[in-house]
Amino acid sequence: GAGVSQSPRYKVAKRGQDVALRCDPISGHVSLFWYQQALGQGPEFLTYFQNEAQLDKSGLPSDRFFAERPEGSVSTLKIQRTQQEDSAVYLCASSPTVNTEAFFGQGTRLTVV
Amino acid sequence: QKEVEQNSGPLSVPEGAIASLNCTYSDRGSQSFFWYRQYSGKSPELIMFIYSNGDKEDGRFTAQLNKASQYVSLLIRDSQPSDSATYLCAVNVRSQGNLIFGKGTKLSVKP
Repeated sequence: GAGVSQSPRYKVAKRGQDVALRCDPISGHVSLFWYQQALGQGPEFLTYFQNEAQLDKSGLPSDRFFAERPEGSVSTLKIQRTQQEDSAVYLCASSPTVNTEAFFGQGTRLTVV
Repeated sequence: QKEVEQNSGPLSVPEGAIASLNCTYSDRGSQSFFWYRQYSGKSPELIMFIYSNGDKEDGRFTAQLNKASQYVSLLIRDSQPSDSATYLCAVNVRSQGNLIFGKGTKLSVKP
């Protein structure tokens, strides 16, 4: 079956603009994660869903970041009033159950100018 | 102290040699341990996972876990230039399934 799909692959936003990043997980996967990866760094955890429930959002860097997964499948990460420091690759991953291996999408590279 | 520590490298090994990648973690409640490979400009790709103390082998890859020492490693036998990538160690630190990543070790396999 298809892997984790993210869109758009690339996004250039002007500072202050709102953006929405989409993640379509592997069908049937219960857990969904969002990570932020800066150049030369490992992925940094942002938030985690189990089905439609957002169980952990401790990694969201500010209240400008918001994520949802209303029907327990597709998820959207929204960043309001983007800042230059938000420039990074945003990775989505899904896993079939809790505590099992996670599979990553291709990522969305966000550049804020 | 960061929860998952890796030497950033670069680690350079000749083709055909064994590459040894190491990772330490701080949370003794960690339950699951994962190794991901990430090529430049690409997303992380799962290589192996290990849950129990000891060794787990899959082809040229062996994962080793020592929970008492809070240490997990990845051995790559008969290293190939195509193995050149950044290797990320990830640890599940809570029962809810959140993965914490190290910064990764850059491996370079020289022909």
